[in-house]
Amino acid sequence: DVKVTQSSRYLVKRTGEKVFLECVQDMDHENMFWYRQDPGLGLRLIYFSYDVKMKEKGDIPEGYSVSREKKERFSLILESASTNQTSMYLCASSLWAQGNTIYFGEGSWLTVV
Amino acid sequence: KNEVEQSPQNLTAQEGEFITINCSYSVGISALHWLQQHPGGGIVSLFMLSSGKKKHGRLIATINIQEKHSSLHITASHPRDSAVYICAVRLRNQFYFGTGTSLTVIP
Repeated sequence: DVKVTQSSRYLVKRTGEKVFLECVQDMDHENMFWYRQDPGLGLRLIYFSYDVKMKEKGDIPEGYSVSREKKERFSLILESASTNQTSMYLCASSLWAQGNTIYFGEGSWLTVV
Repeated sequence: KNEVEQSPQNLTAQEGEFITINCSYSVGISALHWLQQHPGGGIVSLFMLSSGKKKHGRLIATINIQEKHSSLHITASHPRDSAVYICAVRLRNQFYFGTGTSLTVIP
């Protein structure tokens, strides 16, 4: 059974803290994504990666960075958390080849106080 | 600019009703996906379509490539179908998502 695992389900962090969200997939997928989901706005792409050490900015990369040192792991980093980064964060992965579906993790609810 | 538009945004139905959710997209795509998200977060893929029609249990998905339009139908709806349904399209290595349709099925 395919699996995308996000390390933390619920987090509460203080403004200014550095926050790490980890995502691991066990399907040998080339593509990995970090999305943010807010009410009324749907899923917005923060960053994606199509290979180890490769990354591309999505629609809302400001305030975020990512790391992909191994194929199975894609980390999202909030360098200095702010209250407007309070949101649900979803990691996803897919194969490079078209005609394949996308798989999501369970999501991480981040609250910045 | 939204590459994917869904309607309706919210939908309330009585148990047993036939439900239709619509999705229109504006880009040339390799595939269209219907996703389901239950309260609490996790998103699962229901269908991936590039042409025609697919059926799984009480769920049916159709796509018209020429009109850039897809529909998700639920027959004999049940309260456990209550969820957010999201349309997504794949263009090369990117996925573009609709804002979702929140469905509530009342017993």
